Amino acid sequence: QKEVEQDPGPLSVPEGAIVSLNCTYSNSAFQYFMWYRQYSRKGPELLMYTYSSGNKEDGRFTAQVDKSSKYISLFIRDSQPSDSATYLCAMSAGGNNRLAFGKGNQVVVIP
Amino acid sequence: DSGVTQTPKHLITATGQRVTLRCSPRSGDLSVYWYQQSLDQGLQFLIQYYNGEERAKGNILERFSAQQFPDLHSELNLSSLELGDSALYFCASSVRGSGTDGELFFGEGSRLTVL
Repeated sequence: QKEVEQDPGPLSVPEGAIVSLNCTYSNSAFQYFMWYRQYSRKGPELLMYTYSSGNKEDGRFTAQVDKSSKYISLFIRDSQPSDSATYLCAMSAGGNNRLAFGKGNQVVVIP
Repeated sequence: DSGVTQTPKHLITATGQRVTLRCSPRSGDLSVYWYQQSLDQGLQFLIQYYNGEERAKGNILERFSAQQFPDLHSELNLSSLELGDSALYFCASSVRGSGTDGELFFGEGSRLTVL
């Protein structure tokens, strides 16, 4: 079982829809959870950063962490064509531990 | 623009050859990370350097090596290249030794094609 599972299937939604992405993980030591966004031919950039369980909201983006279920989610409200990108979840136990990334979800928002 | 510079952007070479990828971190960042990204494996951590010293090692093959120089730029050396080494290689940097108490800043990657 991989440390971080993210269904890499592409997702196409119409503009204005809610996008829902999620990852599951197996390492109970993970306590730092992030979502990175990667545009085509670019490097990943940090989108959301959450410590431990709970919700975090930033504009149209909401990150949720449920440590009891080892499940994290990213919601994008009122999606825009500019949100079309690959979204990667990442997590770590902290300290000198490396980030473990999911494979990424390609999201296409259709105008 | 993340401030992390990677060269070259594209590289095409033959099996058995050796290449060097270069990374200049953001000004002030002491840590450099190397990642390999492929469609089937996703983003795989290779190695991390902090202020010139190796800090952590991931799934890096013995044919690959890296170093961080006194001016903090880093090079990833890939030798005896195989077809399966074709991938995007990303460099990332962060201020501290751990990327988990701050964000990683990624370069735009070096796309390696091995023919």
